[in-house]
Amino acid sequence: LAKTTQPISMDSYEGQEVNITCSHNNIATNDYITWYQQFPSQGPRFIIQGYKTKVTNEVASLFIPADRKSSTLSLPRVSLSDTAVYYCLVGDGEGAGNMLTFGGGTRLMVKP
Amino acid sequence: KAGVTQTPRYLIKTRGQQVTLSCSPISGHRSVSWYQQTPGQGLQFLFEYFSETQRNKGNFPGRFSGRQFSNSRSEMNVSTLELGDSALYLCASSLGDATNYGYTFGSGTRLTVV
Repeated sequence: LAKTTQPISMDSYEGQEVNITCSHNNIATNDYITWYQQFPSQGPRFIIQGYKTKVTNEVASLFIPADRKSSTLSLPRVSLSDTAVYYCLVGDGEGAGNMLTFGGGTRLMVKP
Repeated sequence: KAGVTQTPRYLIKTRGQQVTLSCSPISGHRSVSWYQQTPGQGLQFLFEYFSETQRNKGNFPGRFSGRQFSNSRSEMNVSTLELGDSALYLCASSLGDATNYGYTFGSGTRLTVV
């Protein structure tokens, strides 16, 4: 199984850039890396997805080194509303189907 | 387009009862997965259905079951409820392989067992 490891929690201040790193040593060749954001009592929400190098969208950037054993989610200029739990996901790499494993996630607290 | 719809949003049941939760995926999505979320265990995979067939199953007892209909709507059933089954149950749909296409989650059903 492609297990992921993330910091349990992080604190930041409004306007700062936040980088959350996830390690996934057993990622399979065909797997993408996906990050989700979750607010209390809501389902996780897709943020960004990538396979290698760098991906950027309107809310975040994702950096993936050549060996793909880790990835870093970068949130530019965070605001209070970015306070949430962030999950890094990869597939289980053992065949067809969706059996994605969510790690413990990183609880980001943005302070004023 | 409509998102993933889960009903009911809240549910209170008594130990020993059974419960059925419903999930309507995004139109065109054939994969539906179910997750249980508790404060202690986080998000845990229950099972996945694709074209009415269970394709993957997590490590949950047989009291947890599910099914998918021809229109891709899915239900999950929990029989003989236990206090520990109190959780947020999340349904997620995907166009195909969620590692490539991503999941879209519903808002969940909050089940409380008393």
